[in-house]
Amino acid sequence: SQQGEEDPQALSIQEGENATMNCSYKTSINNLQWYRQNSGRGLVHLILIRSNEREKHSGRLRVTLDTSKKSSSLLITASRAADTASYFCATEPNQAGTALIFGKGTTLSVSS
Amino acid sequence: DTAVSQTPKYLVTQMGNDKSIKCEQNLGHDTMYWYKQDSKKFLKIMFSYNNKELIINETVPNRFSPKSPDKAHLNLHINSLELGDSAVYFCASSQATRGVSPLHFGNGTRLTVT
Repeated sequence: SQQGEEDPQALSIQEGENATMNCSYKTSINNLQWYRQNSGRGLVHLILIRSNEREKHSGRLRVTLDTSKKSSSLLITASRAADTASYFCATEPNQAGTALIFGKGTTLSVSS
Repeated sequence: DTAVSQTPKYLVTQMGNDKSIKCEQNLGHDTMYWYKQDSKKFLKIMFSYNNKELIINETVPNRFSPKSPDKAHLNLHINSLELGDSAVYFCASSQATRGVSPLHFGNGTRLTVT
């Protein structure tokens, strides 16, 4: 069954604003990852947070993980037009023999 | 220096035909995957190979047959294509099967069955 659910499905903001996307999942995980997909391209890995971590930063990205609520958020600060893309969370379940499970994604539009 | 490359990028074919998609990675990774992305952008695992051996086979019709001649290549052959097979198919690779090993994706093959 699908593991991750992103919220909102679509987000439109102005350049310079912050964008926050949320992800909820259902079962125990080893780690949670965020990916970006530009139109017509493959997914690109952004950041990974382990199940024993609560927050992680990478450049303008900040990811939080709350395993008690089975949720994560991705914050992009000072957004740029080039950040326009779809963003997906992906979870690695604790269960052996399973691959990453992706959510349906959030489509972010940043206008200049 | 494309890390994960898929060919072709676009594939338009008629129902009932057989087609193949090729994938190659030059990252030296041991694990390769096929994912299917539907029209709503939902991405679902189809297969995973580790060092040429099948390790994950999700509920995929047996019309789909992956083949890994070596650990750098994972091809996907599809028999008797159906309208519902229309989607974007992504190949990906990772250093390890599990753990802190992000996936590297190709740019996808858009398959259209008419």
